[in-house]
Amino acid sequence: NAGVMQNPRHLVRRRGQEARLRCSPMKGHSHVYWYRQLPEEGLKFMVYLQKENIIDESGMPKERFSAEFPKEGPSILRIQQVVRGDSAAYFCASSPPQYNEKLFFGSGTQLSVL
Amino acid sequence: DAKTTQPPSMDCAEGRAANLPCNHSTISGNEYVYWYRQIHSQGPQYIIHGLKNNETNEMASLIITEDRKSSTLILPHATLRDTAVYYCIVRVDSSASKIIFGSGTRLSIRP
Repeated sequence: NAGVMQNPRHLVRRRGQEARLRCSPMKGHSHVYWYRQLPEEGLKFMVYLQKENIIDESGMPKERFSAEFPKEGPSILRIQQVVRGDSAAYFCASSPPQYNEKLFFGSGTQLSVL
Repeated sequence: DAKTTQPPSMDCAEGRAANLPCNHSTISGNEYVYWYRQIHSQGPQYIIHGLKNNETNEMASLIITEDRKSSTLILPHATLRDTAVYYCIVRVDSSASKIIFGSGTRLSIRP
């Protein structure tokens, strides 16, 4: 059973470009979570999604950031018009639908904005 | 906001037991205690979780006080590969429950 797959592993963008980060959850997992980790800082919750639904987006910046988890395919975290402050490691986690199941994390995508 | 308090850093000699404390004095009856760790630049890794009974698995033991206001994660025989940031988290028993990470404890294992 493959783990949570994130790609790309590293992504370089110039200011003003768009960044798309993909996350394929583990088989059988219908819950996806996105976290951001700025350099030398802790993990900050961004958004929690179930298939085709956003459950909690309280940690998402109000502008330029969006997330989706379609019925088919990976979850996508999209950042429009990137700025240098978006440079960070973005981690995705997935869990099964049962209560209080542990989260399994991917290896992350390191976004660098030039 | 995180509802737990942990020391910012600790160290332990290789081969000895590492005991990581966590205070969660405002924990509710339906909140579990979870422990995760993050080894440098990697994704966080689940370690163990419990509600009120002590728990043990192949990685660690979790001791929760009777009043549930604090807990201790025990790594029985620490190795250099256990060097990481350890996060103690309380999480509501709910299907719509996110995990909020605090600052954690940076554990250093010395040879």
